[in-house]
Amino acid sequence: GESVGLHLPTLSVQEGDNSIINCAYSNSASDYFIWYKQESGKGPQFIIDIRSNMDKRQGQRVTVLLNKTVKHLSLQIAATQPGDSAVYFCAEKVTGGFKTIFGAGTRLFVKA
Amino acid sequence: NAGVTQTPKFQVLKTGQSMTLQCAQDMNHNSMYWYRQDPGMGLRLIYYSASEGTTDKGEVPNGYNVSRLNKREFSLRLESAAPSQTSVYFCASSERRGSYEQYFGPGTRLTVT
Repeated sequence: GESVGLHLPTLSVQEGDNSIINCAYSNSASDYFIWYKQESGKGPQFIIDIRSNMDKRQGQRVTVLLNKTVKHLSLQIAATQPGDSAVYFCAEKVTGGFKTIFGAGTRLFVKA
Repeated sequence: NAGVTQTPKFQVLKTGQSMTLQCAQDMNHNSMYWYRQDPGMGLRLIYYSASEGTTDKGEVPNGYNVSRLNKREFSLRLESAAPSQTSVYFCASSERRGSYEQYFGPGTRLTVT
């Protein structure tokens, strides 16, 4: 697979436990926040998004929380599975703009 | 549907050589993007095309050119490759300009020696 992500923050969890991946975003004018998952050798894959007027959004086994006061975003994965092992990126889109700004990513290891 | 496809998957170039990375999408998306991904960093936007016939610079456009050949295809050209362009390149598409849900190709790993 690619060598990207060699120096990323790493989270290691036991299979079946819940995972929480955190992200600090940079621009208070951002109106959309997105989580992407990138498995080794593949391109990023959209997981879930949240608008800036929301605090929480749930998907299948995933929940995104947004705290605009401290510009913090988190992704919670319930009952983490080995297939969840990947690099997770948060991204923000600035209001009125085209650009999506990606964070550096967090590597999640799931121990069987 | 194949989604977003990229060719080649791997490429090694010598400094000063040129090459074109190809990208195609079959989702009838209007917008297409080229990113590069370096170790320990997120994706950085090189160029984007909001719609067929238009292209614009992103965050790191120097040393690259693009062509939106038609609605399906968006190519990235390196005219004179440099070691600093060693990276993994991803093409993406979205239904509309700046859409948060972008669909990515599998990437091209480029090494410039």
